[in-house]
Amino acid sequence: EIVLTQSPGTLSLSPGERATLSCRASQTISSTYIAWYQQKSGQAPRVLIYGASRRATGIPDRFSGSGSGADFTLTISGLEPEDFAVYFCQQYGSSPRTFGQGTRVEVK
Amino acid sequence: QVHLVQSGPEVKKPASSVKVSCQASGDTFNNYAINWVRQAPGQGLEWMGGIIPMSGTTNYAQKFQGRVTFSADESTTTAYMEVSSLRPEDTAVYFCARDFAGGSSPYYFDLWGQGTLITVSS
Repeated sequence: EIVLTQSPGTLSLSPGERATLSCRASQTISSTYIAWYQQKSGQAPRVLIYGASRRATGIPDRFSGSGSGADFTLTISGLEPEDFAVYFCQQYGSSPRTFGQGTRVEVK
Repeated sequence: QVHLVQSGPEVKKPASSVKVSCQASGDTFNNYAINWVRQAPGQGLEWMGGIIPMSGTTNYAQKFQGRVTFSADESTTTAYMEVSSLRPEDTAVYFCARDFAGGSSPYYFDLWGQGTLITVSS
């Protein structure tokens, strides 16, 4: 099973600041199969990024993904009020499909 | 517009079973798989497995093998997840999530249901 470790656990930032979220895998995986999801309180997750760097339909360009091998990053270039939420990375290339434990982005 | 609509919350006794439904409105199941993901209170996301309704092919995470059963009814575009021998630690929100199964490569979860809270308590 591929274990994904996200850091930091919590990121305290102000609106307009840049957020950098990390996702490290326990083994090398194809970047084709990394996704990032956003989850707001009481809601289902929604996909932001797939294939490590491809934005899903309707996702603003302030969200970007990068990385390869075992290290992946989600960057939010300038936080909007609606971006304060929990973010999960996922690998979907092998079974079981696993998620990181999440990074909470909160208002400083 | 396509939606995945799940059944409502339930409260169950330990050792009982629960069956959660997930209906795809506005689309068919053709070429899609339905996955099930659970989230315990304040915790992260845990993939339980999934089913390809068109073929009936199932894939269970090892942790849930033998206690969870996935099924689907193509005529009503509804997928089901049944969990037996419920324990208090099964208390969680259960989500269904769709991914494309019609190609040769795995796919991310592009559409999620709203979630169903299952509470297990005596």
